[in-house]
This record gives sequence, structure tokens and C-alpha cells, in this order.
Amino acid sequence: QVLLQESGPGLVKPSETLSLTCTVSAGSISTYYWTWIRQPPGKGLEWIGYIHYSGTTKYNPSLKSRVTMSVDTSKNQFSLKLSSVTAADTAIYYCSRVATGTQGAVDVWGQGTMVTVSS
Amino acid sequence: QSVLTQPPSVSGAPGQRVTISCTGSSSNIGAGYDVHWYQHLPGTAPKFLIYGSSNRPSGVPDRFSGSKSGTSASLAISGLQAEDEADYYCQSYDSSLSAYVFGSGTKVTVL
Repeated sequence: QVLLQESGPGLVKPSETLSLTCTVSAGSISTYYWTWIRQPPGKGLEWIGYIHYSGTTKYNPSLKSRVTMSVDTSKNQFSLKLSSVTAADTAIYYCSRVATGTQGAVDVWGQGTMVTVSS
Repeated sequence: QSVLTQPPSVSGAPGQRVTISCTGSSSNIGAGYDVHWYQHLPGTAPKFLIYGSSNRPSGVPDRFSGSKSGTSASLAISGLQAEDEADYYCQSYDSSLSAYVFGSGTKVTVL
């Protein structure tokens, strides 16, 4: 079973850039779409966007101006950058995989990493 | 505020059947986009429960079932068990927002 593990700073200062990496193990990053989803404290899930192993991306329009996703197939990793962060970006960030042949269903999730935006 | 509305909570006794609604609109569920469901225990990774409105991934008990009609979808849990106590989220695509969206979430309590 493929495993996903998020890594990155747990604390980011306001106005700076949040950077997270997801490492895919026990499976290949190729042929799949990969997503980032977040959950602010006490709130529901929010889709941030997805990236295909080929590099094709689609971002949530509400975050599009601040989001950049990239993929490194040689390292079996994909990454998220969110610029100009504010306290509203404080959340648990999940990296995940889109199930093949579905309209965006997420079949594999990382454990999530808490990112706090604070000075 | 989510475009997919779920009841904040539902509850039932062990062995009972509960249903969770997910109400959308003509730009998401009503437009024919698939609905997916997840089970989420705080502090853990969400679990893939239902895809394509009514399909169960391998390993998901048949106590969980999904359906869709018009602009709404539902998740039913039959033979409720203590381990089913969790938050449940629906997900679909919204063409007006051009984004995948999640429901507001429903907490299931086993009495």
C-alpha cells in the first residue's frame, strides 16, 4: 500500500511562504494525480489543488494567486508553496492521491502536518 | 460556508441505521458530478469510504452505502457500531467555483 508523508516547517511567519513536501513511498508517483487538502482548526476540509506527475496543475481559484505546486519524479515527491500567508492559513495540511478513474476522489491520505502561521 | 450542506450531527444506538445528507445545487451534485464520502477521526488521516456516489472501495464494510438523487446525496450506515463514531464529509466538483468542494461535515455519535 502506497504511503504518503508530509514534511516541512510547523511554524511560518505572517507574509512569508509556507513550503511543504510530500514523499511517496511503496509506490510510484507516476500515472497519478496528487492533491493538497487542508483543515483549519475546528473547520471542515478545503481542497487546495492537484498536480499530475507530468506537471499539469489545477488550483482552487480562491487560493490560485498564492499557490504553486511542483513534482519531482526522481525523488518520488511533490510539493506545495503558499505565499503571503496569514493566520487564516493555519491548518492541518494533507497530501493525498486521486483515485484512478474517479472525479477527484481521494483514496490515499498522508497523516497530515499542522502548520501554524504566527509571528 | 460550504456549497455542500450536511447536518452538523446525527446519532443512533448500536445496531441502528443512520443517514447523512449532502445537499448541493445545480452547479455540483445536480450537474451530475460524482459524490465521494470520507470518514475522519480527528488526529488521523481521513478514510476513503464511498466513490462515484455509491461505490465502496475494497475493504470498506457493506454497512456503508451511498446514493444520489437530484441535487443531493446520502450516506447510510447500517448496523451502527461504536467504531463508526467519527466525522463524515461528502465531496464533489463545483463548476461555478471550478474547484472540488467538501461538505460542511457531520459528526456521528453512537449512543
